[in-house]
Amino acid sequence: AQTVTQSQPEMSVQEAETVTLSCTYDTSESDYYLFWYKQPPSRQMILVIRQEAYKQQNATENRFSVNFQKAAKSFSLKISDSQLGDAAMYFCAYRSAQAAGNKLTFGGGTRVLVKP
Amino acid sequence: GAGVSQSPSNKVTEKGKDVELRCDPISGHTALYWYRQSLGQGLEFLIYFQGNSAPDKSGLPSDRFSAERTGGSVSTLTIQRTQQEDSAVYLCASSLGWATEAFFGQGTRLTVV
Repeated sequence: AQTVTQSQPEMSVQEAETVTLSCTYDTSESDYYLFWYKQPPSRQMILVIRQEAYKQQNATENRFSVNFQKAAKSFSLKISDSQLGDAAMYFCAYRSAQAAGNKLTFGGGTRVLVKP
Repeated sequence: GAGVSQSPSNKVTEKGKDVELRCDPISGHTALYWYRQSLGQGLEFLIYFQGNSAPDKSGLPSDRFSAERTGGSVSTLTIQRTQQEDSAVYLCASSLGWATEAFFGQGTRLTVV
């Protein structure tokens, strides 16, 4: 079974600065998808960014970018120019590319605090 | 609808009562998931429906939990004889297919008193 680990329970960042969230995962599969979701106090999970394992290029979405290291099974999220609205819980998630057992497996989350 | 809709938004129930939580996925989405999120914790997988295939029930914590999906659309998660440890936010998500991103609803906060 796949596992996802987020080792940082909480991270604090100054507004306009950069913060990096760590995520590692364990899998024996070669093809899969990785995601970062944001969960604000409203509870709704919002997709921030996704990465296909077969792509070597790191995904980028505006101020959000990832550092995907397949061999190390590492998938970190960098938030640049942090804004007050970025304050939330962030969850890393894994999904197999095989149809069977295709559920999303989540890490325990990292709370991001943004200081004005 | 425009997004995944869950009802009720909040539910308070007495210990021992049965509850039903509803999820309306995005129209046309074939995959539907239920997750449980206890206070300050990550998301715990409960059950996954994909099209007409048999659901993956491997995450259901006990036989008090069950879910069904009627007509490949609306899903109901039922918890029988609720216990205090069932108190959590129950999140539903749907996706267009098994290989695409999942969209989440706002969840149902269940409180068992």
